[in-house]
Amino acid sequence: DVKVTQSSRYLVKRTGEKVFLECVQDMDHENMFWYRQDPGLGLRLIYFSYDVKMKEKGDIPEGYSVSREKKERFSLILESASTNQTSMYLCASSSIKDRGNRFDYGYTFGSGTRLTVV
Amino acid sequence: AQTVTQSQPEMSVQEAETVTLSCTYDTSESDYYLFWYKQPPSRQMILVIRQEAYKQQNATENRFSVNFQKAAKSFSLKISDSQLGDAAMYFCAYTKGWGQGAQKLVFGQGTRLTINP
Repeated sequence: DVKVTQSSRYLVKRTGEKVFLECVQDMDHENMFWYRQDPGLGLRLIYFSYDVKMKEKGDIPEGYSVSREKKERFSLILESASTNQTSMYLCASSSIKDRGNRFDYGYTFGSGTRLTVV
Repeated sequence: AQTVTQSQPEMSVQEAETVTLSCTYDTSESDYYLFWYKQPPSRQMILVIRQEAYKQQNATENRFSVNFQKAAKSFSLKISDSQLGDAAMYFCAYTKGWGQGAQKLVFGQGTRLTINP
């Protein structure tokens, strides 16, 4: 069964701490994503990576950075955690199937990390 | 920028009845994909159904079907014969078909669906 695994289901951190959220996929996918999920706002893209050491900002990158040193692992870093970063964080990876004249995208999500910053 | 809007924060339906969840989107692209995802309390996002914009025929997966109105930029999800296991948060999502930005999913705000026994 293909998987995207997030290292922690729940996490409580103090304001000002440096926080690492880890995500590992076992499907050899090129693309990986970090989303933040908040009630009434849906999922918003923080960062994504389309290859090892490659990254691109999403819609809400402020206060976050990412690292992708290996294809299977994509880390989200909160440089100095703040209470407004209390949220659910979802990791995802995607594959591309070339159908000749079309591409077919498939996404797999992790089960999320609920982060509370106190 | 592309946007996706779900105007119903909550919906409820009696078991075995039919419910329709609404979604509208805004894009200038002609080639794109639309998705409905289900997120139960386990938090695992599950793909319910997918529609490719170039296909005129509405996608169907068992009890789930969509009404894709490309000109109106509307993509509603119909759940027939609702079951207790359908209770979840439902998200509508969009992605470009190709080019820069393709594969980045843009999500709506979500609709929480309750099934009444």
